[in-house]
Amino acid sequence: DQQVKQNSPSLSVQEGRISILNCDYTNSMFDYFLWYKKYPAEGPTFLISISSIKDKNEDGRFTVFLNKSAKHLSLHIVPSQPGDSAVYFCAASGDSSASKIIFGSGTRLSIRP
Amino acid sequence: GAGVSQTPSNKVTEKGKYVELRCDPISGHTALYWYRQSLGQGPEFLIYFQGTGAADDSGLPNDRFFAVRPEGSVSTLKIQRTERGDSAVYLCASSPSGDGSEQFFGPGTRLTVL
Repeated sequence: DQQVKQNSPSLSVQEGRISILNCDYTNSMFDYFLWYKKYPAEGPTFLISISSIKDKNEDGRFTVFLNKSAKHLSLHIVPSQPGDSAVYFCAASGDSSASKIIFGSGTRLSIRP
Repeated sequence: GAGVSQTPSNKVTEKGKYVELRCDPISGHTALYWYRQSLGQGPEFLIYFQGTGAADDSGLPNDRFFAVRPEGSVSTLKIQRTERGDSAVYLCASSPSGDGSEQFFGPGTRLTVL
């Protein structure tokens, strides 16, 4: 039973446009959400997070939106750049300690020239 | 400073053998995590250490899997009687305190069981 779902395995976006990556979760006890980015042969790197008390968090070109009623979050990247091509993992934690993180299956983002 | 390192980067073994995977966390990080990532999936939580003790080992799939962190720094994930289904990338992460602080991942060890 997947508690964190990323239903799009891949996404292709033109350079300069907006990339929108989506994530759904089923466990209403999750209260902390994260996005990780992964390049081949490297470990995931933290990108941005959001607490359940917020509905938006912005960091430069990256914005995460949280819709608790729909159990849905999204990551917006604008403008998209070639270096953004990577696999993006959505993740969630069931308590504020974030000690145990549940990851989605990832979305491979490709930025085309 | 140095990030999380994992050795070996690749390990090929035969079914039934015993393997050890090592993780060197970032110096000073008290929390250490092990994850397993199968092809096409996201990382799957295995175990979390706070200092020397396993604070949460609920993700270990069965008793063939065991992990230690005897001095609160380096950790070793041990897999006995390996099975082909154990083939995956094993990721280690550390964080300064484990109280919601960011987890920093190593590059992983790719384990292949023939």
